[in-house]
Amino acid sequence: AQTVTQSQPEMSVQEAETVTLSCTYDTSESDYYLFWYKQPPSRQMILVIRQEAYKQQNATENRFSVNFQKAAKSFSLKISDSQLGDAAMYFCAFDTGTASKLTFGTGTRLQVTL
Amino acid sequence: GAVVSQHPSWVICKSGTSVKIECRSLDFQATTMFWYRQFPKQSLMLMATSNEGSKATYEQGVEKDKFLINHASLTLSTLTVTSAHPEDSSFYICSAPRSSYNEQFFGPGTRLTVL
Repeated sequence: AQTVTQSQPEMSVQEAETVTLSCTYDTSESDYYLFWYKQPPSRQMILVIRQEAYKQQNATENRFSVNFQKAAKSFSLKISDSQLGDAAMYFCAFDTGTASKLTFGTGTRLQVTL
Repeated sequence: GAVVSQHPSWVICKSGTSVKIECRSLDFQATTMFWYRQFPKQSLMLMATSNEGSKATYEQGVEKDKFLINHASLTLSTLTVTSAHPEDSSFYICSAPRSSYNEQFFGPGTRLTVL
């Protein structure tokens, strides 16, 4: 079974600054997918970024990037130039196949201050 | 991107009654859909996998007789909470994978309150 661990229940960042959210996982699979999802107060799950385990290059989506360390089973999310709209719960998730069931971490609540 | 809808968005019911929640993929077909439950300030926990044309697969600890799942068509899955009790009050979210996008699309969720 796969497990996903987010050790930071809450994080805070000032507007325009950079913040990194941590995620570690455990699996015996060699091929898998990792995701970061954002859940704002509306509770709609929004995909932030995705990483395929077979790709060595770290994924980047505008202000969002990941640091994927496969050997260490680590998958952190960096948010640059933080904006007020980035305030939300962030969930790290693991998927063993093409759009199969997701295993979520416990989440990190991100606050963005002025 | 693909759109998944859920209905109703919120429902309040009396203890002992049954509640049906619908999940629809609006612009694509989904042979598989997933149902998650999220308690306040907690993560999403997978309840079951809904399979079109066959029985649902339930996660360990989820009562299949209490949470009935029917995947009636390639665009519709329903979750029925039978004989609901206050401890079933939660936020229920469905998702549908779209292989061409290699991602899952989530519904907006249904908030169930059992009095």
